[in-house]
Amino acid sequence: DVKVTQSSRYLVKRTGEKVFLECVQDMDHENMFWYRQDPGLGLRLIYFSYDVKMKEKGDIPEGYSVSREKKERFSLILESASTNQTSMYLCASTPGDLPAGNTIYFGEGSWLTVV
Amino acid sequence: GNSVTQMEGPVTLSEEAFLTINCTYTATGYPSLFWYVQYPGEGLQLLLKATKADDKGSNKGFEATYRKETTSFHLEKGSVQVSDSAVYFCARAGGTSYGKLTFGQGTILTVHP
Repeated sequence: DVKVTQSSRYLVKRTGEKVFLECVQDMDHENMFWYRQDPGLGLRLIYFSYDVKMKEKGDIPEGYSVSREKKERFSLILESASTNQTSMYLCASTPGDLPAGNTIYFGEGSWLTVV
Repeated sequence: GNSVTQMEGPVTLSEEAFLTINCTYTATGYPSLFWYVQYPGEGLQLLLKATKADDKGSNKGFEATYRKETTSFHLEKGSVQVSDSAVYFCARAGGTSYGKLTFGQGTILTVHP
């Protein structure tokens, strides 16, 4: 079974702190994603990566950066956390393009509260 | 751009009732369409998918048919159970998207005994 593991389920951070959210997948997938989930807004794509050291902005990249130094690991970085970044963060991975019939796999999510 | 619109919730039903959750998408290209489910405290799981017009995805008693003429992918189940209580997300992917998905806003379903 594919496994996407997010290192922290629940975090509480202070405004202005630098925050790292880590995600690891164990199936050698090329593509990895970070979404945030907010009530009434669904999931919105922050950043994605289609290869090691490659990254592209999603729909809401402001205030975030990412790092992909190894294929299995994709990190989301909040350089200076703010209260409007309080949210559920979901990591996902897929081996290739979805119209080709691949499936995207999600981690269990990281609940971040910024106080 | 690409977008997905789901019916607003929350939806509250009694056990064994019929369920429909509406979903429409923008008709840019020929997207693959998906329904994901999120049970309390868990991440998203793929419920079903359809990759071309007139395809019907089905799983666990849920069904959705890819309707190109109405740009819709409505989720249906004939008889819901308490264990179906969850948040349901419609999503689309399309073209060379690297697996990117565009999600609807989610619909909370609560089923009472």
